[in-house]
Amino acid sequence: GAGVSQSPSNKVTEKGKDVELRCDPISGHTALYWYRQSLGQGLEFLIYFQGNSAPDKSGLPSDRFSAERTGGSVSTLTIQRTQQEDSAVYLCASSLGSSLGEQYFGPGTRLTVT
Amino acid sequence: DQQVKQNSPSLSVQEGRISILNCDYTNSMFDYFLWYKKYPAEGPTFLISISSIKDKNEDGRFTVFLNKSAKHLSLHIVPSQPGDSAVYFCAASGYGNTGGFKTIFGAGTRLFVKA
Repeated sequence: GAGVSQSPSNKVTEKGKDVELRCDPISGHTALYWYRQSLGQGLEFLIYFQGNSAPDKSGLPSDRFSAERTGGSVSTLTIQRTQQEDSAVYLCASSLGSSLGEQYFGPGTRLTVT
Repeated sequence: DQQVKQNSPSLSVQEGRISILNCDYTNSMFDYFLWYKKYPAEGPTFLISISSIKDKNEDGRFTVFLNKSAKHLSLHIVPSQPGDSAVYFCAASGYGNTGGFKTIFGAGTRLFVKA
């Protein structure tokens, strides 16, 4: 089954450390999205890629957050100098083209910053 | 600034009855609306969508209604089943003034369907 996969599924890190979260979208999906869901909150949009470029980075909470996508496929979300408020589930989704239609979500990475 | 609002954090319904989940949006740039369903420890899965040129879309037990003038949409599930118990997210998509594309999600409504 070639769904969206994310790794790691769980990550516990110490405050101040850097973390990298990975997303493998569905093959052929050119659009890729990152969201996060903090405890008790809805889905917060972080960044959107169309191919390798990110037309909209407005959702990134601070300059400690960055994301890249290479080869129009795998994407990594990097959080530098993690803070406790970064603890959340980070969800990746992909979709065909730049459609406004449905997105296919991965299972998420649960990040805990101690 | 919450552009997509789901004002009911939870809803409890008896099996076999209708579940109505509501969603309001504030930005007229949105022209496509979606509902996602999320079980614990899983990513959201797409349920049903509606384009702004329609006011109703039906798929089996699920119907989404859109009232553009009121900037309101709702998801009806009938008859409700215990397996429908999940968190339901409303989402709105559109292109902004700067050409950027956005999908904004609501905070979700947790539905409990009692057997």
